[in-house]
Amino acid sequence: DSGVTQTPKHLITATGQRVTLRCSPRSGDLSVYWYQQSLDQGLQFLIQYYNGEERAKGNILERFSAQQFPDLHSELNLSSLELGDSALYFCASSESDTQYFGPGTRLTVL
Amino acid sequence: EDQVTQSPEALRLQEGESSSLNCSYTVSGLRGLFWYRQDPGKGPEFLFTLYSAGEEKEKERLKATLTKKESFLHITAPKPEDSATYLCAVHPRYSNYQLIWGAGTKLIIKP
Repeated sequence: DSGVTQTPKHLITATGQRVTLRCSPRSGDLSVYWYQQSLDQGLQFLIQYYNGEERAKGNILERFSAQQFPDLHSELNLSSLELGDSALYFCASSESDTQYFGPGTRLTVL
Repeated sequence: EDQVTQSPEALRLQEGESSSLNCSYTVSGLRGLFWYRQDPGKGPEFLFTLYSAGEEKEKERLKATLTKKESFLHITAPKPEDSATYLCAVHPRYSNYQLIWGAGTKLIIKP
């Protein structure tokens, strides 16, 4: 158990809808990262927050947004969903350079 | 261009047959190299961090080594439960904790 929690575990929705994924980092970790992993694909970095502020952006679509709240939990919002957005979404947290990953949210868009 | 290449893409071994996975990298200065294990449908599990050439770290049947251009993950006498995808990632010196990830090596250990 990494100490990082993600909810929900599974999410099934329809095209065009909007969903919110939630992540709670390990106690004391200020950085939160979001990744997307499509079937049999590698990890794609989406975005990083540090202590509430956006620090780095990867290949994140404009339909996707994220934020980190004062209690350090983070939410990833995905809107106008398309079939191709079906994937595993992972959150990771870190105190320094080592990232610890949560169990992921499996998103299925029908 | 900074990149991380893992080889082989897949490796099938018999239980007890030792081998090595390779992670080669080209980055503008290395701050750290990370190895993770990922089981299907699960989040990557942290294994090792290596910071400088010549450094080695061990955990049970796994040993990670680092040179200036590549890292090896040696697996000694593997068991079926070692079957997983092993991911390598590097932290470039210029990056603020954003890692560059390899595509992974899928390891299958047959009993």
